[in-house]
Amino acid sequence: EVQLVESGGGLVKPGGSLRLSCAASGFTFSSHGMNWVRQAPGKGLEWVSSVSYSGRTIFYADSVRGRFTISRDNAKNSLYLQMNSLRVEDTAVYYCARDEDNWNFDYWGQGTLVTVSP
Amino acid sequence: QSVLTQPPSASGTPGQRVTISCSGSSSNIGSNYVYWYKQVPGTAPKLLMYRNNQRPSGVPDRFSGSKSGTSASLAISGLRSEDEADYYCAAWDDSLNGVVFGGGTKLTVL
Repeated sequence: EVQLVESGGGLVKPGGSLRLSCAASGFTFSSHGMNWVRQAPGKGLEWVSSVSYSGRTIFYADSVRGRFTISRDNAKNSLYLQMNSLRVEDTAVYYCARDEDNWNFDYWGQGTLVTVSP
Repeated sequence: QSVLTQPPSASGTPGQRVTISCSGSSSNIGSNYVYWYKQVPGTAPKLLMYRNNQRPSGVPDRFSGSKSGTSASLAISGLRSEDEADYYCAAWDDSLNGVVFGGGTKLTVL
């Protein structure tokens, strides 16, 4: 059974940093691209970043480029999101999602809440 | 303002057929696959339709997807109470080099 479990969320002040993790199991992690998608309270879904199966190809949304860094460790079946210079508007539930192919997000984690507040 | 445009709400009575539209442009829907996700509030999104009109296993055939030019739509026939949820369309955008989502459509089963 495919499982994605996010962790690392919490309360942080503006300008602070946080590192999210996503532990994957039940599939060959190194064969799939992975993504972070967020959802601000009461709002819709917003794609944040993606990393290819090898880690060599990475994309970011304009809203986070230069502040967030996506990475993965295929030996540990884990996906990460390093978030620096956090802003109030980064407050959201962050989901990791598996990419089956061509941006097909077929499995999602349960999400981890990041709150950025003074 | 979302890159893909969806109606904020839709509704129907049990047994009815409802359609949710998703409008984009040549750089996203016009040149890439469209995906649909269902999200019950408080839970994670779930893949509902991939590659425009393909249903993952477990998704009933009451759900169907279509795409024409720069627009796509999701149709739900035989509406049931458990269909009440938020629905999002998504596609890769060649100009933005990223995935874009619609703003979501809240479906109410009356």
